Amino acid sequence: AQTVTQSQPEMSVQEAETVTLSCTYDTSESDYYLFWYKQPPSRQMILVIRQEAYKQQNATENRFSVNFQKAAKSFSLKISDSQLGDAAMYFCAYSVTDKLIFGTGTRLQVFP
Amino acid sequence: GAVVSQHPSRVICKSGTSVKIECRSLDFQATTMFWYRQFPKQSLMLMATSNEGSKATYEQGVEKDKFLINHASLTLSTLTVTSAHPEDSSFYICSAHEADRVFGNTIYFGEGSWLTVV
Repeated sequence: AQTVTQSQPEMSVQEAETVTLSCTYDTSESDYYLFWYKQPPSRQMILVIRQEAYKQQNATENRFSVNFQKAAKSFSLKISDSQLGDAAMYFCAYSVTDKLIFGTGTRLQVFP
Repeated sequence: GAVVSQHPSRVICKSGTSVKIECRSLDFQATTMFWYRQFPKQSLMLMATSNEGSKATYEQGVEKDKFLINHASLTLSTLTVTSAHPEDSSFYICSAHEADRVFGNTIYFGEGSWLTVV
């Protein structure tokens, strides 16, 4: 069975600094998708970044980038130049057939 | 852009009654929608896959007779919590997927529905 593990229940970062959120997953599939979602207090799920497993190049979206290590089944999210608005729950997710399997989440606090 | 709308955003019902939550894709057709449940301070757990014109597929441990899913059209899926109990109180959120020939499916989430059973 596919599983997604986020080992950091909480992380904190100073504004303008960089923080990395960890995610590992387990699967026997060779082609799949990985996602990072942000969930603010409103509970709306906001896509931060997406990675196709067949692509070796790490995905990047502005201040957000991933370190995708397929052999190690690791998918960490780096947030550069952290902003107060980045404070939220972050969920790592895995998908093969469009249904998403989520990790337990990491609560990110950003201090001014 | 494509939007998924969920209604109601909040609902309170009495124990033993049923409540319906709607998930609607506003400007695209979704043959498949997904329903998730999120208890406080926990992650999203997939409950079921809603298939247009056919029966829903439920995840292990989810009671299909309690959580009725209907996907009668390409833009609407409904989740009915029957004989609700306080332990069913949770945040329910749906997703719908829009096919894209270039980028593969794009996943859109509804705004979610808070259910409180008293």
